[in-house]
Amino acid sequence: AQKVTQAQTEISVVEKEDVTLDCVYETRDTTYYLFWYKQPPSGELVFLIRRNSFDEQNEISGRYSWNFQKSTSSFNFTITASQVVDSAVYFCAVGNNFNKFYFGSGTKLNVKP
Amino acid sequence: KAGVTQTPRYLIKTRGQQVTLSCSPISGHRSVSWYQQTPGQGLQFLFEYFSETQRNKGNFPGRFSGRQFSNSRSEMNVSTLELGDSALYLCASSLGQGEEGELFFGEGSRLTVL
Repeated sequence: AQKVTQAQTEISVVEKEDVTLDCVYETRDTTYYLFWYKQPPSGELVFLIRRNSFDEQNEISGRYSWNFQKSTSSFNFTITASQVVDSAVYFCAVGNNFNKFYFGSGTKLNVKP
Repeated sequence: KAGVTQTPRYLIKTRGQQVTLSCSPISGHRSVSWYQQTPGQGLQFLFEYFSETQRNKGNFPGRFSGRQFSNSRSEMNVSTLELGDSALYLCASSLGQGEEGELFFGEGSRLTVL
């Protein structure tokens, strides 16, 4: 079965703290894609990153970084020096070639000033 | 470049009625996917269309249906509405070919069933 587990329902941090959002996935596909999306209060899901299953390189984009470990089926997301504007619900998802995505339940991040 | 446009943004229906939601994808995108988001079940895949053909379907009853037109615009329909159908319905578009599986989401249509 395909499944994404985001065990952290809600996280609260103070601005400038680093925070890591955990994601563990299950899939039967040999080729798959992993994603992180951000959902601000407006409701629109904003794409953050895509990672192919055969590319385990970690990635850094500004204050954001992602750690993909196929051996543990994890794709964790770290925000460095968090800001109030980072407050949102973050979703991890696993998908296949035909755009069938399985989303985790989301982690609500509260960044307090 | 215009994003994914969903209409209507908000609507209220009563049990037993039907509803049609519309989605206009990003220009050049041929794949449109639909998701239902509820507080209890989270984001759940409904179906995906590519070049007017349904390629994938989630585990929803037959009351949920969709279609895609030649211009890639898509509609989804829910018949015989139930209270549990109250949700945010999100549409996403992508190029839809192989690795270009990056989904771009619209702001959603929030359906309330009374």
